[in-house]
Amino acid sequence: EPEVTQTPSHQVTQMGQEVILRCVPISNHLYFYWYRQILGQKVEFLVSFYNNEISEKSEIFDDQFSVERPDGSNFTLKIRSTKLEDSAMYFCASSRQVQETQYFGPGTRLLVL
Amino acid sequence: KNEVEQSPQNLTAQEGEFITINCSYSVGISALHWLQQHPGGGIVSLFMLSSGKKKHGRLIATINIQEKHSSLHITASHPRDSAVYICAVRSGNNDMRFGAGTRLTVKP
Repeated sequence: EPEVTQTPSHQVTQMGQEVILRCVPISNHLYFYWYRQILGQKVEFLVSFYNNEISEKSEIFDDQFSVERPDGSNFTLKIRSTKLEDSAMYFCASSRQVQETQYFGPGTRLLVL
Repeated sequence: KNEVEQSPQNLTAQEGEFITINCSYSVGISALHWLQQHPGGGIVSLFMLSSGKKKHGRLIATINIQEKHSSLHITASHPRDSAVYICAVRSGNNDMRFGAGTRLTVKP
């Protein structure tokens, strides 16, 4: 069964460094999403992406964040200058259509020191 | 006030029991999702509902749009059902709002 994959599974970085989290959505899906979950807290929506542009973003998704689909398969989340509070699990998801089920990747656990 | 409220926060059941988890929301929605998060952190989508009722195996999800309420039921619960169950609503375009989750533990 097709699945969403994410790399790396874990990343440790120093405060102020840039990180890029990578996702490979399911191949025939058109809508892509990033979510984050700070340890012990609820999942939060970051951004949705369709047709090579952001369709919705939350107040968390400030200028430090960007998303890109650099080729036909990858979908990336970049954090330009990481802060301690960016430490979280980051989930990518994709869906074929906006009103269809979203399939989640296994997550990338980011730790900012 | 949270836009998505789940109850209970924690639930412990004996194997075989019928489980109900509730979700209330305060915003207009286009769809409601029930998700399962395993102890390792992975998230699986169980249901997406915009009206009525859906069933998959031992899981049943219902939604009442007028009352802004949804329930997730598990029949004949099993220890492998132990997980965090999350209600999430889609409002507007693709903006999802999540509940805090219900931690279910099913004891053998």
